[in-house]
Amino acid sequence: ETGVTQTPRHLVMGMTNKKSLKCEQHLGHNAMYWYKQSAKKPLELMFVYNFKEQTENNSVPSRFSPECPNSSHLFLHLHTLQPEDSALYLCASSQGPGQGAGELFFGEGSRLTVL
Amino acid sequence: KQEVTQIPAALSVPEGENLVLNCSFTDSAIYNLQWFRQDPGKGLTSLLLIQSSQREQTSGRLNASLDKSSGRSTLYIAASQPGDSATYLCAASGGSYIPTFGRGTSLIVHP
Repeated sequence: ETGVTQTPRHLVMGMTNKKSLKCEQHLGHNAMYWYKQSAKKPLELMFVYNFKEQTENNSVPSRFSPECPNSSHLFLHLHTLQPEDSALYLCASSQGPGQGAGELFFGEGSRLTVL
Repeated sequence: KQEVTQIPAALSVPEGENLVLNCSFTDSAIYNLQWFRQDPGKGLTSLLLIQSSQREQTSGRLNASLDKSSGRSTLYIAASQPGDSATYLCAASGGSYIPTFGRGTSLIVHP
């Protein structure tokens, strides 16, 4: 398997549920990203990890909790979400700094619906 | 802070036309500029990456140019087809290496 893989592709959850989104990259990259894409809004950067260390948190509410156990895996843990959190969540990876800003590759996204 | 603007926001053309999508950025100190395509409900697919030392990149019917001094990039699509219908986004990566995205151009190519 190659590229960036996201699971699940679709998720429906209630406001009191706890769920997680998973991202795996098979490109040997060092940096991984979470983006949020809501209807009719631009792409919003949420978190960035470089060599497993979080380097960017774009003022994201604490109900979103990222985890990066290694350079190939990235999780987004979700709890007590609000209906306005319904969106397409996109994971991406790149070579990150040090090697120069490299090409960004995206997964297919996880469509989240909060009831 | 880098800002990226894409014009036009939407475009509808008949099949066969050659078209140009524009991307402008405020900070010319970029490492690269990348063009993406996004189909509805899907992830972003990388089309072309132009490094700061390059002027253009080509892939099939697509040609992207970069003019750092004027803060502009253009994506040229030759002989457009209905299958080209999608949203096209550009992203500029600067000193922080984290890309800044534009809002995209929504393209419809009708038969």
